[in-house]
Amino acid sequence: GESVGLHLPTLSVQEGDNSIINCAYSNSASDYFIWYKQESGKGPQFIIDIRSNMDKRQGQRVTVLLNKTVKHLSLQIAATQPGDSAVYFCAEKGYGNEKLTFGTGTRLTIIP
Amino acid sequence: DTAVSQTPKYLVTQMGNDKSIKCEQNLGHDTMYWYKQDSKKFLKIMFSYNNKELIINETVPNRFSPKSPDKAHLNLHINSLELGDSAVYFCASSQRDTNTEAFFGQGTRLTVV
Repeated sequence: GESVGLHLPTLSVQEGDNSIINCAYSNSASDYFIWYKQESGKGPQFIIDIRSNMDKRQGQRVTVLLNKTVKHLSLQIAATQPGDSAVYFCAEKGYGNEKLTFGTGTRLTIIP
Repeated sequence: DTAVSQTPKYLVTQMGNDKSIKCEQNLGHDTMYWYKQDSKKFLKIMFSYNNKELIINETVPNRFSPKSPDKAHLNLHINSLELGDSAVYFCASSQRDTNTEAFFGQGTRLTVV
């Protein structure tokens, strides 16, 4: 049904600055985590992933940090660009479980 | 080549009608999904099929019936459409044994009037 009562968090960042998007997950059995980017009118697009045996993974301009103790995931985007403006979702999955569960998303706006 | 393709991209229909959304993936994946995204951007899984067999069915009204003729296709048929069915529906696919990311289609925006 509808996500009644939930509001999409927003984050505005000046172009060129770094941004950090946070996500809390609830299932301690989850062992695989993904960050997706969704631009307007498009489907979610894979950015970076991390497995539970790691606490940090880096890509091009992006870094994902995983803190299993507090069930927290973050996405750091360095030197933000206008094209980074989108809604960002974290997603979690347990081993052997096909269900990919999404967080509520964060709308990132890059200010020129 | 589009990896996961859905048709139609937009669908406007009246209450009470029956409609179908089609999905095809050319990635060779064995698992496909349907997700519903509401007006607040919340993404919720509806169904998942692995090798044509239903493996996830998340408390979805039985007016929604997925059909997987083969592992590259997962269609969604909706009977007796209601206003609350208005949303964006996303198809996705993944490969089960590699436990890696799901690839999403572009979405079908369904508007029930």
